[in-house]
Amino acid sequence: KAGVTQTPRYLIKTRGQQVTLSCSPISGHRSVSWYQQTPGQGLQFLFEYFSETQRNKGNFPGRFSGRQFSNSRSEMNVSTLELGDSALYLCASSFRQLQETQYFGPGTRLLVL
Amino acid sequence: LAKTTQPISMDSYEGQEVNITCSHNNIATNDYITWYQQFPSQGPRFIIQGYKTKVTNEVASLFIPADRKSSTLSLPRVSLSDTAVYYCLVGEGNDMRFGAGTRLTVKP
Repeated sequence: KAGVTQTPRYLIKTRGQQVTLSCSPISGHRSVSWYQQTPGQGLQFLFEYFSETQRNKGNFPGRFSGRQFSNSRSEMNVSTLELGDSALYLCASSFRQLQETQYFGPGTRLLVL
Repeated sequence: LAKTTQPISMDSYEGQEVNITCSHNNIATNDYITWYQQFPSQGPRFIIQGYKTKVTNEVASLFIPADRKSSTLSLPRVSLSDTAVYYCLVGEGNDMRFGAGTRLTVKP
């Protein structure tokens, strides 16, 4: 099976802009979750989608949003970018539940200038 | 809320057994404990998961005491390629928390 893919791999934006990141899960996986990874805060859970519905949400402001399509592909959007949003954004998929084995993509590295 | 604490770094030599402990005092009854490995410029990779006692797979063992307030990842006979950051994950849903990660360096 093909692994989790994320696009783009690298992105440079300026403060105030918005960005959309894309994630394609492993075929058959219906749970897609997003994480932010920074040197200072480590790996932090953003949210999880299942069957096109947000099922779980971490402690991030409303500027961070996402959606899932009927084919389980997911997008994450960050509006009004801040310098502190510079991070590696990781997507992970699992069959049905967060507590199952999660398969991570390579991540999208976002730099906000 | 589940909170996890791990050592920041550990050093070892090739062929040795490495044990990395994670503390999770507030673990909930339904929570599993999962360990991931991450290499630079890659996403984390699943190593092992357990709920209680001992779990073993082809790459690692996971020891969980009866009170489940900690867990120990055991890597037998490490090699240079095991140099990576290891994360423990506890909790589910909104309460999911990764540890800060333990940077393991394996020396020849």
